[in-house]
Amino acid sequence: EPEVTQTPSHQVTQMGQEVILRCVPISNHLYFYWYRQILGQKVEFLVSFYNNEISEKSEIFDDQFSVERPDGSNFTLKIRSTKLEDSAMYFCASSDYGSSGANVLTFGAGSRLTVL
Amino acid sequence: GNSVTQMEGPVTLSEEAFLTINCTYTATGYPSLFWYVQYPGEGLQLLLKATKADDKGSNKGFEATYRKETTSFHLEKGSVQVSDSAVYFCALTSDGGSYIPTFGRGTSLIVHP
Repeated sequence: EPEVTQTPSHQVTQMGQEVILRCVPISNHLYFYWYRQILGQKVEFLVSFYNNEISEKSEIFDDQFSVERPDGSNFTLKIRSTKLEDSAMYFCASSDYGSSGANVLTFGAGSRLTVL
Repeated sequence: GNSVTQMEGPVTLSEEAFLTINCTYTATGYPSLFWYVQYPGEGLQLLLKATKADDKGSNKGFEATYRKETTSFHLEKGSVQVSDSAVYFCALTSDGGSYIPTFGRGTSLIVHP
C-alpha cells in the first residue's frame, strides 16, 4: 500500500538554528499538507500546497516557516531560526481529492523536533 | 470556525470490554466527520467516516454515527483487543470553508490482556 514517508524521524537542534523536515507524498496525490502536534495538544494545521503553491495557511505558519516541492517528489518544511516552542511532532500528509468534503488524508509517521 | 473536542485519555480497558470515545464538534457549513487511528510508530490513518447526518461509518468492528442534533460522532467498539491499542483522532471537514481537516487532540486507548 502506498505510504507517505518522512525524514528524519527525530531531530534535535539548538535554538536559532534552521531545520528542514522532508516528506515524500504518495506519487499520484495532488494536495500536500503539514500539521504539527505539540505534546498533549491538538493536531494543528500549518499549511496546504497544491499546484506548486501554498493554497492555505494557518496563523501559525508565519515568516519563520516555508514549504517547497523542489523536485516533483519531495515536499519540505523549513523552519528558520527555531524557537523552544517549535518543539513538536510534525506530520506531513497528502490527498488526491482536496476539494471535497470527503477529503481523506494519508499521513506520514511524523518527525519529532526537539529544540534545546 | 471548525473545532473538535475529544474526551481526555488515556482510556484503559481490559480485552473484550466495550469502548466509547466521545467526540463533539462545531462547524461552519455542513461537516463530514472522520475517525483516524495512529498505531505506535506509524502515521495517522483513516478508520472510518460519515458524510451526512444519521450515516454510520464502520470499519474493523468500530462504529460511529453522525448525530447532527447533538453535534457528536462518538466512536464505539463492542469488544476491544490488545491490538486496538492506539491513539484515536476525531476530525471534520466542512463545506463552509476549505476542506482541510480539523483534528482533535487524540485519545489514547490502552487495552490490557
